[in-house]
Amino acid sequence: DAGVIQSPRHEVTEMGQEVTLRCKPISGHDYLFWYRQTMMRGLELLIYFNNNVPIDDSGMPEDRFSAKMPNASFSTLKIQPSEPRDSAVYFCASSLYSPLEQFFGPGTRLTVL
Amino acid sequence: EDKVVQSPLSLVVHEGDTVTLNCSYEVTNFRSLLWYKQEKKAPTFLFMLTSSGIEKKSGRLSSILDKKELFSILNITATQTGDSAVYLCAAVLNYGGSQGNLIFGKGTKLSVKP
Repeated sequence: DAGVIQSPRHEVTEMGQEVTLRCKPISGHDYLFWYRQTMMRGLELLIYFNNNVPIDDSGMPEDRFSAKMPNASFSTLKIQPSEPRDSAVYFCASSLYSPLEQFFGPGTRLTVL
Repeated sequence: EDKVVQSPLSLVVHEGDTVTLNCSYEVTNFRSLLWYKQEKKAPTFLFMLTSSGIEKKSGRLSSILDKKELFSILNITATQTGDSAVYLCAAVLNYGGSQGNLIFGKGTKLSVKP
């Protein structure tokens, strides 16, 4: 298995632009998580899905952030409009039966100028 | 507010040393504690601890949970330069809570010098 796949790996954009991050979980995994990591705040859980349904989005910072999981093999995290403070590494992770043992993707490094 | 605190923030040791990393937590509806190792890229899973007093071991790494005192430690014996990484712990909650299902500490950055 290729593991969790994220794209793009790096993105540099200008303030105000829409950003879409993509994730393909490990095949057969029921749970999918989106995290944000910064030096200041560490690793923060943004939202997670179980069987494609959002379970907890209390970590989503504000309305500019939205996440979807249209099917079991694909999820997106969208930021519109983006701001410089959104600059971070965004990780996607998936797990098989429970949120406990999660496998992380390589991350997307986002820079908003 | 639920929180997970790791100490020290960073640590520099020499190869062969033994290190102990600490993780304390104050969360509602605690379920389990996870340890991850993060090198240059994504975190990789090390241990899941659910019961108090039961040591988990994997090679030179071991970890234990104390649910009475609300902390966990991660031990690494005979450290090697390849152990250099940020070690993250996370508390898993039974319910969503105000910060979601999983709360991470800021990590301990371990540097092992040859």
